[in-house]
Parts: sequence; C-alpha cells; structure tokens
Amino acid sequence: GENVEQHPSTLSVQEGDSAVIKCTYSDSASNYFPWYKQELGKRPQLIIDIRSNVGEKKDQRIAVTLNKTAKHFSLHITETQPEDSAVYFCAAFEGGSNYKLTFGKGTLLTVNP
Amino acid sequence: NAGVTQTPKFRILKIGQSMTLQCTQDMNHNYMYWYRQDPGMGLKLIYYSVGAGITDKGEVPNGYNVSRSTTEDFPLRLELAAPSQTSVYFCASSYHLQGQYFGPGTRLTVT
Repeated sequence: GENVEQHPSTLSVQEGDSAVIKCTYSDSASNYFPWYKQELGKRPQLIIDIRSNVGEKKDQRIAVTLNKTAKHFSLHITETQPEDSAVYFCAAFEGGSNYKLTFGKGTLLTVNP
Repeated sequence: NAGVTQTPKFRILKIGQSMTLQCTQDMNHNYMYWYRQDPGMGLKLIYYSVGAGITDKGEVPNGYNVSRSTTEDFPLRLELAAPSQTSVYFCASSYHLQGQYFGPGTRLTVT
C-alpha cells in the first residue's frame, strides 16, 4: 500500500516568517494530494489540494507544490500568523484506489507572536 | 447543509459495554470513512464504504463493525469495549477523487 512520510514533526516560526512542510509518498499511481489543518480539539479541515497533472497551486498565503518524479509534495505558508498554529497533515490516495487516503503523521506548527 | 454530523460528542463506557457511533452526511457523497485519532497521533482508518451496501476494512478494524444501508448514514458499532478503544473517532465523507470532509468527532473513554 501507500506510505506517506511527513517532515518535520514539529516546526516553530516567528510571526511573519514562512513555513514549509514536506511529504514523500511511495506509490507512483497516487494522483491526488490533499492537506489538512487540525486545530487543537477540532476536526481536520481540508485547506488545499493538488492533482498529479499540476505542479503548483496557490490559495492566498498557502501554496502546495508537487514533484511527481521525486514523489514528494510540500505545503508552503507565507506571512505566518498565530492563527496558523495547528497540526498539519498531508495525504495521498492509496495505490491508485482514488478513494482511500493514507495520511502522514502530522506536523505541529507553532507561530510565535 | 449540515455537512457531516456525528453523535454523541462525548461518551464514557465501561469495559465490555457496547455502543453505536452515529454518522450522517447530507452532501450525497458516495464514500464514507471512520477514523480514530489517539492523543497526539495521526489518523488511522477503521472502516470505509464506497456506497450503500458496500463496506471494507481499513488499517485497524478489530473490535468494530459498520453497516451502510443508505447513502447518508454510516454507523460504527463497538462491541465489548476495551480501554484500547479510548480515542477520538472521526467520520468523514467525500466524492470520487475529492478530499474528505470530517465530522466534529466523538470523544470516547473506556474505563
């Protein structure tokens, strides 16, 4: 099955700095890569996603890049704010199933004011 | 449009008791999922369904059962609760080739 590795496990930045979280996946058939944000005590929420036919996608301060050759994708958050503090999970569809996601273990992002 | 709803929000069970966690979605999604999330950990898939009448095991199915008689509902049954099942349970749903939308979760403690 799919294996998703996520780094770093914790990340601390100063407000206004950028944050980058990286994930690698194992199954070359995977073609959809969502990112989730989970605030403390809340549900995971989809914040951005990318498909395999696209190299980069942006939504305001958030961007995701995908390198299919290297099988890795990254989340970039610019001009970080304290409300960006949360756990971020990457995911990939498992084995070309197109419906079963494999999640990374998460990155705890702390934005210090 | 309520999205994905779960009941109850919290529950305390004694060892050996049984209960059903309810999940309903009103987005007409084909796919539904049950995850558990232990403190400080990631999401582990318990069971999933690709449509009414079709269910399959995920990564950690032991001690749980599911059914999917309608598109909207996907209840999770715990039989003979054990302390190892203390966790937060999330239900999620999605369309084909789309990201999953999560319910608010059920916090379960087994003592």
